[in-house]
Parts: sequence; C-alpha cells; structure tokens
Amino acid sequence: DVKVTQSSRYLVKRTGEKVFLECVQDMDHENMFWYRQDPGLGLRLIYFSYDVKMKEKGDIPEGYSVSREKKERFSLILESASTNQTSMYLCASSSSTGSYEQYFGPGTRLTVT
Amino acid sequence: AQSVTQPDIHITVSEGASLELRCNYSYGATPYLFWYVQSPGQGLQLLLKYFSGDTLVQGIKGFEAEFKRSQSSFNLRKPSVHWSDAAEYFCAVGPTSGTYKYIFGTGTRLKVLA
Repeated sequence: DVKVTQSSRYLVKRTGEKVFLECVQDMDHENMFWYRQDPGLGLRLIYFSYDVKMKEKGDIPEGYSVSREKKERFSLILESASTNQTSMYLCASSSSTGSYEQYFGPGTRLTVT
Repeated sequence: AQSVTQPDIHITVSEGASLELRCNYSYGATPYLFWYVQSPGQGLQLLLKYFSGDTLVQGIKGFEAEFKRSQSSFNLRKPSVHWSDAAEYFCAVGPTSGTYKYIFGTGTRLKVLA
C-alpha cells in the first residue's frame, strides 16, 4: 500500500519559532508538494520539488522554505512562525510518468500562538 | 489563466438520494482531471481520474464522473448516497502545461441527512 507520512498530526508553536514539517513517501516518486489548506480557499501550493535538491516556488512561498536532500523526503520550514501561518499543511507526491495522480499524507494541523 | 471552479460550497442530500457535484475548469488543452475526497481531519484520497478515452469514468466507493469538453466540466455523480460519503470533495486539474503544478477547486462540503 502506497504511503505518504507526515511527522506530526498536530503541532503547536510560538510566534518566532523555527518550525520543521517533514514528509516521507515510499513510492519512489520524483515529485513532491507542500500545500496549505484553509477554509474557503481550498489547497494552495507553497513549494514543489521535481527532483532531489530541485525546488520551485508555488503560489504562496513567502515565509516558507523547503529542503529535499533525499528522494523520499521533503521538508517544509517556517523560518519564523507567525500566527497567520496557522493552518492545515498537506504533503503530496506524484510520479513524473504514468498516471500523475497525487498521493496525500494525513496532514499536519499547525497552530502558531 | 488556468482555473478550477466548484460553484457549490455546501450541498446537503438525504441518504439514498442521488448526488451530483459540479466542477468547471479553464485550461488550454485536454486536461488531466481528478476528484479527491477528504474526510474530517484527513488527507485527500483519490476517487477517480480522467486522462483520455471514455468520457465516463468510474471510481471508488461507487462514484463516477463525466468529462464534457464542450462544457469544460467534469461533474461527479453517485446514484445513491451513503451517510459515510459526508466529506469534502475537491476537483483538480494537472499537471498543468510546462510545470508539475496542479490546480484545485475550493471544494464542496457534502452533508448527508439520515
């Protein structure tokens, strides 16, 4: 069974803290994505990566950075967390060939106080 | 610009009734189209997808969707809704031309009345 796992389901951090969200996939997918989900706004793409050490900005990259040192792992970093980054964060992966569907992790609900 | 529109934010149906969730897209070429379902507090699960060929596609949990190029639509249907279908449903297009990006609609939240 294919799997995308995220390091935490719930996370509470203080304003100004550096936050790491980890995502691991076991499908040998080339592409990995970080989305943010807010009510009424759907999924908004923060960053994606199409290969190790390769990344591209999505629609809302401000305040975030990413790291992909290994094919199976894609990390989202909040350099200095702010309250407006309180949200649900979803990681996904997909293959560059074949069916293109994305596989999602269970999500991390981050609260910044 | 490429976009996906789900015009219904909320839909309420009675258990056993039929269901249709609407999705319209704006895209230059024939898109790859997807429907995902998200149960509360969970990630998204793929229901079905369309790439080419037969415009009526079958998915999991008894769902189907029809691609209509002339209407730029990809509506999701189910003949008889079960209480466990209560969730949020997302339509998506992707990967978009020249990139690996996907575009999601804002979602439709389905409530099922017993």
